[in-house]
Amino acid sequence: EPEVTQTPSHQVTQMGQEVILRCVPISNHLYFYWYRQILGQKVEFLVSFYNNEISEKSEIFDDQFSVERPDGSNFTLKIRSTKLEDSAMYFCASSDTLAGSYEQYFGPGTRLTVT
Amino acid sequence: GNSVTQMEGPVTLSEEAFLTINCTYTATGYPSLFWYVQYPGEGLQLLLKATKADDKGSNKGFEATYRKETTSFHLEKGSVQVSDSAVYFCALIALTGFQKLVFGTGTRLLVSP
Repeated sequence: EPEVTQTPSHQVTQMGQEVILRCVPISNHLYFYWYRQILGQKVEFLVSFYNNEISEKSEIFDDQFSVERPDGSNFTLKIRSTKLEDSAMYFCASSDTLAGSYEQYFGPGTRLTVT
Repeated sequence: GNSVTQMEGPVTLSEEAFLTINCTYTATGYPSLFWYVQYPGEGLQLLLKATKADDKGSNKGFEATYRKETTSFHLEKGSVQVSDSAVYFCALIALTGFQKLVFGTGTRLLVSP
């Protein structure tokens, strides 16, 4: 069964460093998302991406964040200068239709620890 | 704005007990409703969904009915197993914009033998 994959599973970085989190969505999906979950808190929407551009972003997704689809398979989230409060689990998701089943398929997540 | 409220956890049950996890929502229009499950150390898996009022979603013995009059989507299972121990998230997609999921805070379920 097709699945969303994410790498790395755990990333430790120092405050102020840049990190890139990688995702491979399901191959025929067209809509991509990033969510994050701070430990013990709810899952929060960060950004959605369609047709090579951001379609919606939350107030969390400030200028420190960017997303890219560098090739036909990868979808990346970059944090330019990490802060302690960026420590969280980051989930990538994809879906195959905007109007239809609305099902989003999630990857296993990347745990980001900023020290 | 759109929001989801879930009952606080953890919910602790013995095997074969009846489970209810309450979920209510606030949304403009008629959202689609979902339950996701997160097993320890894993990502989010879609458990069930309902896209219109009075729809019942069901999967693996879990059920939830979309109640527009009470804006609720409570999760139920008649007989829980130890393997059901996980965190359960209620979520909605409002039918405007680009279908971002809005999640509740999650409810941890602990089932003991």
